[in-house]
Amino acid sequence: TQLLEQSPQFLSIQEGENLTVYCNSSSVFSSLQWYRQEPGEGPVLLVTVVTGGEVKKLKRLTFQFGDARKDSSLHITAAQPGDTGLYLCAGALGSGYSTLTFGKGTMLLVSP
Amino acid sequence: KAGVTQTPRYLIKTRGQQVTLSCSPISGHRSVSWYQQTPGQGLQFLFEYFSETQRNKGNFPGRFSGRQFSNSRSEMNVSTLELGDSALYLCASSFQGVYEQYFGPGTRLTVT
Repeated sequence: TQLLEQSPQFLSIQEGENLTVYCNSSSVFSSLQWYRQEPGEGPVLLVTVVTGGEVKKLKRLTFQFGDARKDSSLHITAAQPGDTGLYLCAGALGSGYSTLTFGKGTMLLVSP
Repeated sequence: KAGVTQTPRYLIKTRGQQVTLSCSPISGHRSVSWYQQTPGQGLQFLFEYFSETQRNKGNFPGRFSGRQFSNSRSEMNVSTLELGDSALYLCASSFQGVYEQYFGPGTRLTVT
């Protein structure tokens, strides 16, 4: 059983559309991170959320941490081809020395 | 600052052989984590080293081992390679723990 479930697994949209990616768990996380990975590269950290209900914005990307710290969402407004990539959420169950557990990711393809 | 570097980038080995992968973290980062990424399982945590000590270990067989040197550089070794070990091996560094992890580009290992 995957500790972090991401949905959808794959998303293909046209440039200019909006989308939301979800990351869900039955476990409570002390923090949750979102990464984007492009082909042939390692994941790049986009944001870290630590407080239940927290909302962070990064240009056209909006990240939300659930009130109970069990889930998170990533919303992209007016998607662009440069947003194409694998979006990964990762949660830390403890603090300090704990490890990160990753979801399997959402592959986003934005066509011009 | 230079990013995380991993060598080699690509590797082809035969079943039964062993392999050593290298990771140089960002200057000043003392924590190095290793992950295995496959299409089926996603990103799975192998182990984390901090100040030359293994602090956390994932659920992988003993054929997977690692170490960290006094300059924070890290190596991981896989002995008696199996076909299922074919994967992208990612190294990530951080200043102290799981927060703000910075990934290298990975080593693509193919076992034939």
